[in-house]
Amino acid sequence: AQKITQTQPGMFVQEKEAVTLDCTYDTSDQSYGLFWYKQPSSGEMIFLIYQGSYDEQNATEGRYSLNFQKARKSANLVISASQLGDSAMYFCAMREGQNFNKFYFGSGTKLNVKP
Amino acid sequence: EPEVTQTPSHQVTQMGQEVILRCVPISNHLYFYWYRQILGQKVEFLVSFYNNEISEKSEIFDDQFSVERPDGSNFTLKIRSTKLEDSAMYFCASSERLAEDNEQFFGPGTRLTVL
Repeated sequence: AQKITQTQPGMFVQEKEAVTLDCTYDTSDQSYGLFWYKQPSSGEMIFLIYQGSYDEQNATEGRYSLNFQKARKSANLVISASQLGDSAMYFCAMREGQNFNKFYFGSGTKLNVKP
Repeated sequence: EPEVTQTPSHQVTQMGQEVILRCVPISNHLYFYWYRQILGQKVEFLVSFYNNEISEKSEIFDDQFSVERPDGSNFTLKIRSTKLEDSAMYFCASSERLAEDNEQFFGPGTRLTVL
């Protein structure tokens, strides 16, 4: 089974509107961490936001927030007030409790922000 | 702000040739990683490295691959005899510690093209 599933290969959003990028995960560990990375067309991987499995509140970082629903094993990224510079690939990733050695990445969502 | 650097940014090589991809992790980080991203696909874990040893490697990391920390700063990935399917973006990453909440900082990547 896939550890991280991102079901939206591509998304469009109007500038200044909010958008939600979906991510579901699969783990039997009690302790895990969920991350979102942004990959612009230039190729680098930029860390956006982190959510711990024991965190009771949803993580927020500026315009980014994480809608964490533990029972549903989902960790959706919400970008508020989209900007043209938000156009990029977005990857959801996970580190598990027994093996913090690596990230499992999803297949990514390509976000296009329209002016 | 400290960052992970990688050289070269783009490497073109002939099939069968050896390549060495170089990375300088963040100076106080102890854990180092290589990931691969074939064009248009997800980021895949290759190997993690700690205390001058491989901690974990994926099934992709076969005998053609090796990693080394030749001095106190560089972390290298060697591909002994490149194949066409090795063409990909290779990301180096480092982290300060091994914990669920500890993000991995990624370098800008090296795009490897095997002809």
